[in-house]
Amino acid sequence: SQTIHQWPATLVQPVGSPLSLECTVEGTSNPNLYWYRQAAGRGLQLLFYSVGIGQISSEVPQNLSASRPQDRQFILSSKKLLLSDSGFYLCAWSVLGGAPETQYFGPGTRLLVL
Amino acid sequence: QKEVEQDPGPLSVPEGAIVSLNCTYSNSAFQYFMWYRQYSRKGPELLMYTYSSGNKEDGRFTAQVDKSSKYISLFIRDSQPSDSATYLCAMSKGAQKLVFGQGTRLTINP
Repeated sequence: SQTIHQWPATLVQPVGSPLSLECTVEGTSNPNLYWYRQAAGRGLQLLFYSVGIGQISSEVPQNLSASRPQDRQFILSSKKLLLSDSGFYLCAWSVLGGAPETQYFGPGTRLLVL
Repeated sequence: QKEVEQDPGPLSVPEGAIVSLNCTYSNSAFQYFMWYRQYSRKGPELLMYTYSSGNKEDGRFTAQVDKSSKYISLFIRDSQPSDSATYLCAMSKGAQKLVFGQGTRLTINP
């Protein structure tokens, strides 16, 4: 069966510091991968998605970036965090070319920028 | 106007009640409709998906889609305290991206 991991689970960072969140998927090959942010009491905002190694599409202009160095690894980064980057970050995967487009989520990383 | 509108609640009902959760959408290109359940401080988990108008049942849960009215619903029968969570509707045009509603926070009181 497929599993998705995210770490760290919780992170407290000062404004201006760098960020690196990691997501890995097990039990599947060539997945679509996604990064979402969920602000408190809000829905999910799609940040990035990837259909393959090195292929990243950005949905929202911001100071975040994403990379996919391996098939089942997705990384969310920032060079300098802003207060507004605080939130719950979720990684998700789906079957490449699958329909319907059902996505499966990881446990999330709670980020607090102070 | 948001593509998907969902009443954020909160919604509080007694145990055993029938719960109705709803979303409306504006884009008729949406083909697939999903409901996710999210417990506090956890990632969303897929509950149900459907791609046609009508009803789909899974145990105590029924998903209903009315494409002519651009309206989807999730019904929970015999609600349990363990159903207390935030419920997110999501929909897609069939290729890669999902559009989510804001989520409805539901509490089932024993």
